[in-house]
Amino acid sequence: DQQVKQNSPSLSVQEGRISILNCDYTNSMFDYFLWYKKYPAEGPTFLISISSIKDKNEDGRFTVFLNKSAKHLSLHIVPSQPGDSAVYFCAALLENTDKLIFGTGTRLQVFP
Amino acid sequence: DSGVTQTPKHLITATGQRVTLRCSPRSGDLSVYWYQQSLDQGLQFLIQYYNGEERAKGNILERFSAQQFPDLHSELNLSSLELGDSALYFCASSVSMSPGELFFGEGSRLTVL
Repeated sequence: DQQVKQNSPSLSVQEGRISILNCDYTNSMFDYFLWYKKYPAEGPTFLISISSIKDKNEDGRFTVFLNKSAKHLSLHIVPSQPGDSAVYFCAALLENTDKLIFGTGTRLQVFP
Repeated sequence: DSGVTQTPKHLITATGQRVTLRCSPRSGDLSVYWYQQSLDQGLQFLIQYYNGEERAKGNILERFSAQQFPDLHSELNLSSLELGDSALYFCASSVSMSPGELFFGEGSRLTVL
């Protein structure tokens, strides 16, 4: 039972353009959503988060949008840079717990 | 460098064997989490400890067990190993002030032959 889904295993974007990574969830009991980035041979690192009471959070080139009615969130990276090439994991935190559920990841490649 | 240390980085063993993976959390972090990442899979939550006590449990097999010691380091024990247990095992820690913000180690890659 995959409660957090990333349906696109990979995405290729040209440098300078926008990267949009998508994530869907099924459980209404999530109260925080996060994005993590993972480079090869490293552990995931926290990128950006959003509370379920908000619909947008921005941090520099990274913006996360949350659509609660659709149970959908997305990560926008503008402009995309080659250093952004990595696997991006969407994650959701179960309400009143520390249990963080991850999606399967989307591999982003930013080419020159 | 996240400050979370995992050993060993790589481990190759045979089916039926038992291994122990070790994790030292960031200084001051009381929570330790274990995750498993199999090929083409996301990070599967296994178990969480907080200050020595089990706090949350995920899809952890009965053949697996974990504990957190008084110095806050944690060990994940995997026994009666099967081929399907081959995976990357990540440890993460947090101070629980930023919801969901975990600091991950580099992982222990287990290969079961």
